[in-house]
Amino acid sequence: AQKITQTQPGMFVQEKEAVTLDCTYDTSDPSYGLFWYKQPSSGEMIFLIYQGSYDQQNATEGRYSLNFQKARKSANLVISASQLGDSAMYFCAMRLNSGGYQKVTFGIGTKLQVIP
Amino acid sequence: DAGVIQSPRHEVTEMGQEVTLRCKPISGHNSLFWYRQTMMRGLELLIYFNNNVPIDDSGMPEDRFSAKMPNASFSTLKIQPSEPRDSAVYFCASSRRTGGNTEAFFGQGTRLTVV
Repeated sequence: AQKITQTQPGMFVQEKEAVTLDCTYDTSDPSYGLFWYKQPSSGEMIFLIYQGSYDQQNATEGRYSLNFQKARKSANLVISASQLGDSAMYFCAMRLNSGGYQKVTFGIGTKLQVIP
Repeated sequence: DAGVIQSPRHEVTEMGQEVTLRCKPISGHNSLFWYRQTMMRGLELLIYFNNNVPIDDSGMPEDRFSAKMPNASFSTLKIQPSEPRDSAVYFCASSRRTGGNTEAFFGQGTRLTVV
């Protein structure tokens, strides 16, 4: 069965510093996608970045980059130059493409707090 | 596009009552997901539909929960009878079934409180 693991329940980072949020996954399916979402205190889920299992290069979106290590089955999120507005819950998610269906499952989340 | 629309935003009900949560996915999206979020268990996938057909409902906690998608623009999640442990935020999300970056777009959620 597919599984997403986020081992850091909470993280602190100084404003303007970089931070890495860990995510490991487990699947035997060769075709999958990995996502990161941000959930601020207001509750909405905001899509941040996507990495496909066949993508050769690590995904980047502005200050967000995904450190994809396929052999280790890890997809860590790196946030550069942290801002106070980055304080939120961050969820790693995996979408499987087996049989043409797209089941998306989430990790338990990491709470990031940016300190001024 | 207005995004995924969920109603109501908040629901407070008494134990034993029936609760119906509603979702309108983004037009053109053919995958729809219902999630439940609690502090203890995080985001749990309850059920997902593809082209209005339920594909996997293994996450539905018990028979008190049921979900339907009568057409491409509407889905419901029903709890009957409701219990205090059902209190959570329920999210609906939709996505396109194509290759590449097809992230799930989330609604604002329904915060359910069962007293």
